[in-house]
Amino acid sequence: IAGITQAPTSQILAAGRRMTLRCTQDMRHNAMYWYRQDLGLGLRLIHYSNTAGTTGKGEVPDGYSVSRANTDDFPLTLASAVPSQTSVYFCASSDSMTHTQYFGPGTRLTVL
Amino acid sequence: GQNIDQPTEMTATEGAIVQINCTYQTSGFNGLFWYQQHAGEAPTFLSYNVLDGLEEKGRFSSFLSRSKGYSYLLLKELQMKDSASYLCAVLDSNYQLIWGAGTKLIIKP
Repeated sequence: IAGITQAPTSQILAAGRRMTLRCTQDMRHNAMYWYRQDLGLGLRLIHYSNTAGTTGKGEVPDGYSVSRANTDDFPLTLASAVPSQTSVYFCASSDSMTHTQYFGPGTRLTVL
Repeated sequence: GQNIDQPTEMTATEGAIVQINCTYQTSGFNGLFWYQQHAGEAPTFLSYNVLDGLEEKGRFSSFLSRSKGYSYLLLKELQMKDSASYLCAVLDSNYQLIWGAGTKLIIKP
């Protein structure tokens, strides 16, 4: 692994289903983030984690949950997907010195 | 409230120079980032400014004026591969990034 990986690359999901998007980094960064990106709206923060064992809510947390059991992994769960959650989801991580965020390749999610 | 403004779209000619502006109003300031995002790809880091002035990195330069809440990204000797969206983001007092909606740059031959 080099950098940040996300899985799956894309997914079509029926409304009401549960879905977990996976994110793993190997840079030993303390902070991790989940964003969604919709056309014309830019990146919006869903949840973040400043260090393993802690999480926080971003700008648009409703309908999403996260966990941070260890430094490397930061999964995002949609408990009951709705069509408005159709988006591209990016995971990112940053170190506590520079705060520069590095992004995974993204997951394109379609909820029907 | 927190706000970052940048033009939605700009068009420039291959070989020319283009300046993408960004103005911001945020709760605190711990630096300003510029990212490049090609269509269908993830954002990638371009530059970081925390002090006033110009930072040059090859064909790309980034300028910051904290008193004016203003930054610009200058791209010289434009190439077709520079066609992308350019995202301005400010690190606020909580060390969270506040993102602009991005500027789509179209390069014409």
